[in-house]
Amino acid sequence: EPEVTQTPSHQVTQMGQEVILRCVPISNHLYFYWYRQILGQKVEFLVSFYNNEISEKSEIFDDQFSVERPDGSNFTLKIRSTKLEDSAMYFCASSKTHLQSASGNTIYFGEGSWLTVV
Amino acid sequence: SQQGEEDPQALSIQEGENATMNCSYKTSINNLQWYRQNSGRGLVHLILIRSNEREKHSGRLRVTLDTSKKSSSLLITASRAADTASYFCATDEGNAGNMLTFGGGTRLMVKP
Repeated sequence: EPEVTQTPSHQVTQMGQEVILRCVPISNHLYFYWYRQILGQKVEFLVSFYNNEISEKSEIFDDQFSVERPDGSNFTLKIRSTKLEDSAMYFCASSKTHLQSASGNTIYFGEGSWLTVV
Repeated sequence: SQQGEEDPQALSIQEGENATMNCSYKTSINNLQWYRQNSGRGLVHLILIRSNEREKHSGRLRVTLDTSKKSSSLLITASRAADTASYFCATDEGNAGNMLTFGGGTRLMVKP
């Protein structure tokens, strides 16, 4: 079964450093997302991406964050000047259609990238 | 409380028993999805139920949706130790947006 793949699975970084988390969405999917889960807390939406641009973003997704689809397969999340509170599991996800499509829509998540900022 | 709150927060049962988890939400929705997460792992999609559906089945899973009460339930029948995980509901909040709002999850432990 096709799946969303993410790298790295774990990353430890020093405060203030830049981090790039990588994702390969499911190949025929058109919508891409990043979510995060701080340890012990809810999964939170960060951003959605469609047609090579951000379609929605949450309040969390400020100027510290950026996303890019550098080629036909990868989807990346860049976090600049990391802070201790950025420590979390970051999930990439993808879907074939928009969540509001008439048939309903399943969003598939990857295994996540654990980011620890020290 | 926030959109998509699960109840109970934790549930411990014996293998073979049924497990029922509930989810309540605040706004109107178009879809509600249930996910499973093993400890420290990714989110595995279980079932999507649309607002015009009342019940869906998938193997040992049964999901109900009551839009008048803004609630959903996930029933796992004949539970197995491998069902031990956290279970989350996620809603779309019924607007035109393309984001899911997750609840806090129910931690299910199935004892062998």
